[in-house]
Amino acid sequence: KAGVTQTPRYLIKTRGQQVTLSCSPISGHRSVSWYQQTPGQGLQFLFEYFSETQRNKGNFPGRFSGRQFSNSRSEMNVSTLELGDSALYLCASSRGDNSGNTIYFGEGSWLTVV
Amino acid sequence: DAKTTQPNSMESNEEEPVHLPCNHSTISGTDYIHWYRQLPSQGPEYVIHGLTSNVNNRMASLAIAEDRKSSTLILHRATLRDAAVYYCILSAGGTSYGKLTFGQGTILTVHP
Repeated sequence: KAGVTQTPRYLIKTRGQQVTLSCSPISGHRSVSWYQQTPGQGLQFLFEYFSETQRNKGNFPGRFSGRQFSNSRSEMNVSTLELGDSALYLCASSRGDNSGNTIYFGEGSWLTVV
Repeated sequence: DAKTTQPNSMESNEEEPVHLPCNHSTISGTDYIHWYRQLPSQGPEYVIHGLTSNVNNRMASLAIAEDRKSSTLILHRATLRDAAVYYCILSAGGTSYGKLTFGQGTILTVHP
């Protein structure tokens, strides 16, 4: 079956702009999580959505937001981009109904802010 | 969130077994132990996970201590493709659904 799909894979934005990243989870998965990975901070949890509701949130400023649609597809948005937002943004999906669910990651979206 | 401790790096020779340790002394009774690995410029790849009993799959084995305060990921015959950063992570339910707290992981180098 198809894995977690993220688009776009690579993008370059200018400081002050905003960006929207998209994630299509594995069919049947209702939970979608987002992570940011940078060389200095490693992999950090942004937020998790389940059935269109944000269920969990990490320690990121309000410029980082997300949403989930009825088909479980999710988007995350970063407004007023800063140079430090340059990172690999990863999306992960799972059934979301048990802490023992397997969580699968996409290949990520590389964001460069110039 | 419960934390895990892993060695920064380990080395192995090709076709030899590799034992990657992980300490999680503050694990709670409902936390699952997950292992992921990541190659450069790729998303983390699921390896294996378990709760209390040892687990086996086509990629690896997971040995969990009786007190669950530590676990070991076992790669039975390392190949060059197993060279990656390996993460040991605890997942909890309730308010932490979907949230994995990644540490720095163990960089595994496999020598031909």
